[in-house]
Formats: sequence, structure tokens, C-alpha cells
Amino acid sequence: ELKVEQNPLFLSMQEGKNYTIYCNYSTTSDRLYWYRQDPGKSLESLFVLLSNGAVKQEGRLMASLDTKARLSTLHITAAVHDLSATYFCAVDTNTNAGKSTFGDGTTLTVKP
Amino acid sequence: EAGVAQSPRYKIIEKRQSVAFWCNPISGHATLYWYQQILGQGPKLLIQFQNNGVVDDSQLPKDRFSAERLKGVDSTLKIQPAKLEDSAVYLCASSLSGAQPQHFGDGTRLSIL
Repeated sequence: ELKVEQNPLFLSMQEGKNYTIYCNYSTTSDRLYWYRQDPGKSLESLFVLLSNGAVKQEGRLMASLDTKARLSTLHITAAVHDLSATYFCAVDTNTNAGKSTFGDGTTLTVKP
Repeated sequence: EAGVAQSPRYKIIEKRQSVAFWCNPISGHATLYWYQQILGQGPKLLIQFQNNGVVDDSQLPKDRFSAERLKGVDSTLKIQPAKLEDSAVYLCASSLSGAQPQHFGDGTRLSIL
């Protein structure tokens, strides 16, 4: 059974600081997704990572994938308040395309 | 492009009652998903449709939950009878195919009294 673990589950940081969220998964997967969820809102797709060594960046967020270590990271650079949200990673495989298994999310609070 | 539409946004019912949720996916999206998101957890896939056929329903509690997508477009998810542990947000998502990023609706927040 595929398991996805994120850490930390809660993160409080000061504006302007850098931090990294980690996502580990238990079995070989073909796609890794990062989503953002604001309170009371739905999930917004941020990144899709397909191959080992893949790196994608959007603004202050950068996601990377190490398939050998079964690890993805979401790095936050110079955090701003608008980045406060819950971030989820999810993985699926080609044999079960679309059957994404989600982590429990990392709730990020950025304080002034 | 219009997003995934869900209704209602909120529903409060008593245990043992029945409830139904509706989802209209993005036009042209063949794959439709229903997820259950319990407070503090990530979404859990309940059922995945490809057009009007079920691809995966292994995590759907079939004794009380049912879903259909008769014409391969919109879909309904029903719970009958509801239990207290069904309190959650029910999210609908759609994608062009199973290997494409999913687009989520705003969800239905269900409270069971």
C-alpha cells in the first residue's frame, strides 16, 4: 500500500525566511504533485514532477524530486504572508493513473 | 474556462438520513473523481470515473455510498444512511485523463448531527 508522509505538519515562520517541506513516499511512483489549499477553499495545483532530478519553480516556491530516495521537497524562499496555506503532496503511478495518494498536508503560517 | 462546479456548498443532516452531492466537471474532461477530506487530513479518493465507467472504487464504502456518472459528464455521490464519521468535505475533481493534473471544485462540507 502506497503511503505518503509529509513533514513538518505545521510550520510557523517569519516573513523573509527560507524553509523546506518534505514529502516521502513508500513505493515507486510515476508522478508527484504539489497542491495548495487555502482555508475553506479547494486545492490548487502547483507543480507536477515526473522524473528523477526534476525541479520546477514558481515565484518563491521551488519543488524538486529524487525518485531514488522517494523524496520530494518544496522550498520556500523569502516567505511572505500570502504563502500562508496548507500544502499537500500526492503521488500516483502509471498503472493507477489518477489514483492519487495524498499526504496529510503541511500547514504553513507566515508571520510578519 | 469554467471550473469544476459542485453543489450544495454546505449540508447539515442527522445521522441515518440520506444526502446527495452533485458535480459538473470541466468541459471535455473525461476523468472525474470524488474525494473525502476529513478535517486535518489529505483528500482520500473514493471513486474514479473514466467517461461513464468506473475505473476505481476500491475505497468507496459501498454499503452506504454510491456514485454515478450516467452520461459521462456530471456526477452524483450519495450517502445512505449517513453516519457521524461521514462528516467531511467531499471534493470533486476532473482531468483530461488519469495521467493529467486534477482540477478541484470548492467541495461540499457535510456535517452529521
